[in-house]
This record gives sequence, C-alpha cells and structure tokens, in this order.
Amino acid sequence: EAQVTQNPRYLITVTGKKLTVTCSQNMNHEYMSWYRQDPGLGLRQIYYSMNVEVTDKGDVPEGYKVSRKEKRNFPLILESPSPNQTSLYFCASSFGQGAKSEAFFGQGTRLTVV
Amino acid sequence: DAKTTQPPSMDCAEGRAANLPCNHSTISGNEYVYWYRQIHSQGPQYIIHGLKNNETNEMASLIITEDRKSSTLILPHATLRDTAVYYCIVRVDRGAGSYQLTFGKGTKLSVIP
Repeated sequence: EAQVTQNPRYLITVTGKKLTVTCSQNMNHEYMSWYRQDPGLGLRQIYYSMNVEVTDKGDVPEGYKVSRKEKRNFPLILESPSPNQTSLYFCASSFGQGAKSEAFFGQGTRLTVV
Repeated sequence: DAKTTQPPSMDCAEGRAANLPCNHSTISGNEYVYWYRQIHSQGPQYIIHGLKNNETNEMASLIITEDRKSSTLILPHATLRDTAVYYCIVRVDRGAGSYQLTFGKGTKLSVIP
C-alpha cells in the first residue's frame, strides 16, 4: 500500500531536548516536504527536498533542520525545541513537478513542547 | 503567488451534490488548481486537480471556468464521511522539480443526515 509514515504520532517533550520526527515513503517519490498546522494559520511549509541531498527552506524554517540521505526518508529535526513549536506536523511526498504530482500526506505528528 | 478565496463553511444534505466554490482570480496560465480535504486532524487527502479542462475522477468533479479565475469542486452524492475541510490550492512551480502548495483556511463542509 502506498503510504507516508510518520513517527511518532504523539510526542510531549521539554524545552531544549533535541528530537527527531521521522518520515518515510514507499512510492519512490523525489519530492518530500514538511508542514506544520496551527489553528487559524493553516498548513505552512517548513522545509522541502527535491531529491537526495537537495533540501531548501519553506515558509517557516526557523528552529528546524532536515536531511535527505536516502530517497525514502526525510526526518525533521528540532535541535532545541521551544514551546512555540508545539504544533501538528505533516510530512508529504510526491513525484516532482508535473501534471501527476499529487501529494501524499502522512497521518501527522502532534508535538507538545513544555 | 496566486491566492484562493473560499467560503468558510457550507452545509449539504446527505445524498445531495455538494458544490464547493473557489476564486483564484490571479492564477497564471501554467498554474494548476488542486483540491485536497482534511478530515478532522488527519493528513490532507488529494481529491482532484486540473489546468483548463473539467476533470472527473472516482471522488469528485472539477469545473474550471473558461477564464480560469474560479472553479467548483462537485461531490456528486455527499455522504457523512465527506464532512471535512476542503482546500482549494493553486500550485506554484518553483522550477527544478519543486513546487509549493499554499493551504488557506478552506471550506468546512458539513454533511447533514
């Protein structure tokens, strides 16, 4: 089954404790991205990757890092989480730009930073 | 970036067609219109997309006006499981294989028994 898998689904952590949210897709997609969703603000893109070892900032990259060492994986790293990073996070993947590049989203990771 | 305007909420009776409008008056000639929906706090789900012509798939139909400044998503026989927030998005291609989906606030569709 084609899917994007995020882990963990729920996470409560303390300010400053480094964490990683993993994302994996099984569709051989080139393009992957991370979004955060906050009430009243919709989904905003954090980082995206066009292929292995190619990443770039989205609209709200501050406080986040990403890496793309393998095509299927695109982890989101919070080196020093702060309470304003409490949010619902989604990973998405698709083929590159083109008419058929519908994005598949993971089920989300609800992060709380206290 | 082309912006979209959608009504914040709509109701639809179960079994009837749900018609969700979207305005995108600043759309450029090569930008696609995409529709996604989000059920509760699950990941957004792709529904349909189009450029100029009307499109239909197993989930919905997409009607794009000739001037491409607006579109309508049609769910032909709405069910309770179609209750969700529906997002109309103009996809912006950034080149080199990347693109941007800008999610607005969407339309909250409530299907009523």
